[in-house]
Amino acid sequence: QVQLVQSGAEVKKPGASVKVSCKASGYTFSSYYMHWVRQAPGQGLEWMGTINPSRGSATYAPQFQGRVTMTGDTSTTTVYMELSSLTSEDTAVYYCCRGYTNCAYWGQGTLVTVSS
Amino acid sequence: DIQMTQSPSALSASVGDRVIITCQASQDINYYINWYQQKPGKAPKLLIYDASNLESGVPSRFSGSGSGTHFTFTISSLQPEDVARYYCQQFGNDLLFTFGPGTTVDL
Repeated sequence: QVQLVQSGAEVKKPGASVKVSCKASGYTFSSYYMHWVRQAPGQGLEWMGTINPSRGSATYAPQFQGRVTMTGDTSTTTVYMELSSLTSEDTAVYYCCRGYTNCAYWGQGTLVTVSS
Repeated sequence: DIQMTQSPSALSASVGDRVIITCQASQDINYYINWYQQKPGKAPKLLIYDASNLESGVPSRFSGSGSGTHFTFTISSLQPEDVARYYCQQFGNDLLFTFGPGTTVDL
């Protein structure tokens, strides 16, 4: 069965970077895009970008361009999302999800807290 | 960028009621819209893909329709377990996703 298992919660100081991982199993890793979506406390879903694991190419939402980097490792079937220059507004649950035009499978979410 | 407006932002209904949520895209998105359900503390769950296709395992009381810029999501007979927040999501030619702001459904 398809599983996406994310890394654990993080606490970061303003200005720092965070790198969240998402390990995929149960399917051919390189055959599906992986998206990253975040949700601030009490807020809606915000799409951050997507990566094509077979090519390593990524497309980012305009509001995150220059601050986010998505990478994939086909040998470990893991994708990573790194967000830099963190502020308190980046405090959120970060999800990876598998798909192309939609997200049928989701990770469990990773809480990133930015606090001084 | 394509903007999605979703209405209502919240609604309260009774068990057995028909619930309708709409999403409007700022430009023609063909049928590339999906609908998700999210319960507190959980990841979203895909219910409807490509405007009107029911995801495997999802109860048939959920349905979707529309094309172009105007889309509708319907729960034909609201059940207690349907209390959740619902989001539409569009997919553009540029690979960009946009989520609607969401609709909270309460009993």
